[in-house]
Amino acid sequence: DAGVIQSPRHEVTEMGQEVTLRCKPISGHNSLFWYRQTMMRGLELLIYFNNNVPIDDSGMPEDRFSAKMPNASFSTLKIQPSEPRDSAVYFCASSLPPNTEAFFGQGTRLTVV
Amino acid sequence: GNSVTQMEGPVTLSEEAFLTINCTYTATGYPSLFWYVQYPGEGLQLLLKATKADDKGSNKGFEATYRKETTSFHLEKGSVQVSDSAVYFCALPPRGGSEKLVFGKGTKLTVNP
Repeated sequence: DAGVIQSPRHEVTEMGQEVTLRCKPISGHNSLFWYRQTMMRGLELLIYFNNNVPIDDSGMPEDRFSAKMPNASFSTLKIQPSEPRDSAVYFCASSLPPNTEAFFGQGTRLTVV
Repeated sequence: GNSVTQMEGPVTLSEEAFLTINCTYTATGYPSLFWYVQYPGEGLQLLLKATKADDKGSNKGFEATYRKETTSFHLEKGSVQVSDSAVYFCALPPRGGSEKLVFGKGTKLTVNP
């Protein structure tokens, strides 16, 4: 398996623009997680899905952030409108419960200018 | 809920030095404990884990023992290499039965030749 695949690897956008990050989990994994990593706050869980259903979105910072999982092999994290403070590395991870070991993608480095 | 406290870095060592990165946890029951590693420019990957008290996880020369008496899961390696330079994260599920993980703040290790 190719592992968790994220795209794009890097994204630079202007403040106010819409940004969409994409994730393909490992085939067969039915839990998917979106994390954000910054120097100041470390690694934060934004949202996680189980069987394509959002289970816990308490980490989503505000209404500008939304995430979807239309099927078992694809998820998106959207920021609209983007702000400079959203600049971070966004990771997607997947796992197969009850095993809590999570497999991470390589991340998307987002820069909002 | 469950939580981990990880020693703050950065940690700088010379090659072949002994490494200890401290991690203590607060938990209800005995959840699985994990160490993840993040190499520069990459996502997190599982380094080792322990699923019950007194278990020892090991991988790539790293070890960590699940000690319920001291609620600790310290990461150790007898002789570090330059290639071990990375950020190390301690993690556990936030509560029993949870399939997601919460991570410590990470400890950056730099090994000099």
